[in-house]
Amino acid sequence: GNSVTQMEGPVTLSEEAFLTINCTYTATGYPSLFWYVQYPGEGLQLLLKATKADDKGSNKGFEATYRKETTSFHLEKGSVQVSDSAVYFCALINNNNDMRFGAGTRLTVKP
Amino acid sequence: GAGVSQSPRYKVAKRGQDVALRCDPISGHVSLFWYQQALGQGPEFLTYFQNEAQLDKSGLPSDRFFAERPEGSVSTLKIQRTQQEDSAVYLCASSLGLAGESTDTQYFGPGTRLTVL
Repeated sequence: GNSVTQMEGPVTLSEEAFLTINCTYTATGYPSLFWYVQYPGEGLQLLLKATKADDKGSNKGFEATYRKETTSFHLEKGSVQVSDSAVYFCALINNNNDMRFGAGTRLTVKP
Repeated sequence: GAGVSQSPRYKVAKRGQDVALRCDPISGHVSLFWYQQALGQGPEFLTYFQNEAQLDKSGLPSDRFFAERPEGSVSTLKIQRTQQEDSAVYLCASSLGLAGESTDTQYFGPGTRLTVL
């Protein structure tokens, strides 16, 4: 079946550090891939998405590239800020409306 | 309205009680989804509506769970005879759902945190 595995947290970084949160998936066919973010006290928000192989999603300085050969969609940001502290979820959707999420990675950025 | 709203935000129920959780999607959104999120986990799909039609209920964990969207807008998730394992955050999401496009962005509500004692 379809599933997502993402890097376990928590992740703690200093401000301006480089961020990578790994995400790999298992799916038949050609899923669409998403990163959602949940800031403290708020609901899930779409951060970025990619709908086909080699697409790069980007938003707010975050990027992720859909790599079919490695079945991965790793999230990266070159210089994190304190305001990026949140829980990040990788997700996929595949030919239906059943979105599968990873377990989430909590990021804390310290000044 | 601005976004997806859910009520109540918090619900405490005694084991065996019935509960009803409400979701108000974004106006005009055709598709509506319910998810269950256990502590420290990602959301898990429960069910999906397109307008008033429940097209997929494969994620509902038992026949104690029931969802409806009778007029194609507001939806209610009902849990009968609640058990402790039902304690979780229940998330609702909606999307435009144009032409059944599954890659439409899903917009999430803040969730209802259900605690069963």
